Amino acid sequence: DGGITQSPKYLFRKEGQNVTLSCEQNLNHDAMYWYRQDPGQGLRLIYYSQIVNDFQKGDIAEGYSVSREKKESFPLTVTSAQKNPTAFYLCASRSFTGTDTQYFGPGTRLTVL
Amino acid sequence: GENVEQHPSTLSVQEGDSAVIKCTYSDSASNYFPWYKQELGKRPQLIIDIRSNVGEKKDQRIAVTLNKTAKHFSLHITETQPEDSAVYFCAADPTGGGNKLTFGTGTQLKVEL
Repeated sequence: DGGITQSPKYLFRKEGQNVTLSCEQNLNHDAMYWYRQDPGQGLRLIYYSQIVNDFQKGDIAEGYSVSREKKESFPLTVTSAQKNPTAFYLCASRSFTGTDTQYFGPGTRLTVL
Repeated sequence: GENVEQHPSTLSVQEGDSAVIKCTYSDSASNYFPWYKQELGKRPQLIIDIRSNVGEKKDQRIAVTLNKTAKHFSLHITETQPEDSAVYFCAADPTGGGNKLTFGTGTQLKVEL
């Protein structure tokens, strides 16, 4: 787990501003994921990427964008089009060899004022 | 898409008792079912998983059972301890490779002394 880092831990932004959340992994994992966690709603998949320069929408992609220019990095941009961006954002990664386990980063708590 | 329902949302047990958390899924193609534990303010961590070709899996005090016909699976924790107190999430993946997990809404387990 220590090989997946997210920054910052807490983020405050004004309404209408775009904000980018960082996710880095040094585990040489192939796939990376972004989830949103809200109280009482579990984790919902925003975007995922299985290979560099390719990514797929998850269940709640509207108002978010991602890029995967490097294998170890998968930043998430929360745009002004996201109507309710305040949430806890979790990044995860997985290797295509071995188990199917997704390993999570420590998360970023975003608050939009 | 896949839909996962989890019950109960809260569960309180006495130390040493057993705890059972149940999940149902909708997509009969789902064949990978992980369980995650999330302590307060921390990242989710995998505690056990099961594939659809297996009916039961145990790891010390934790076990998971799967009924493919009824499309439900359960987490069993025996001899509960205070450190078992956390939120537990079930998930299902119809892709089979752990790539697109749909999570349940979580169960807050409290183990009382």
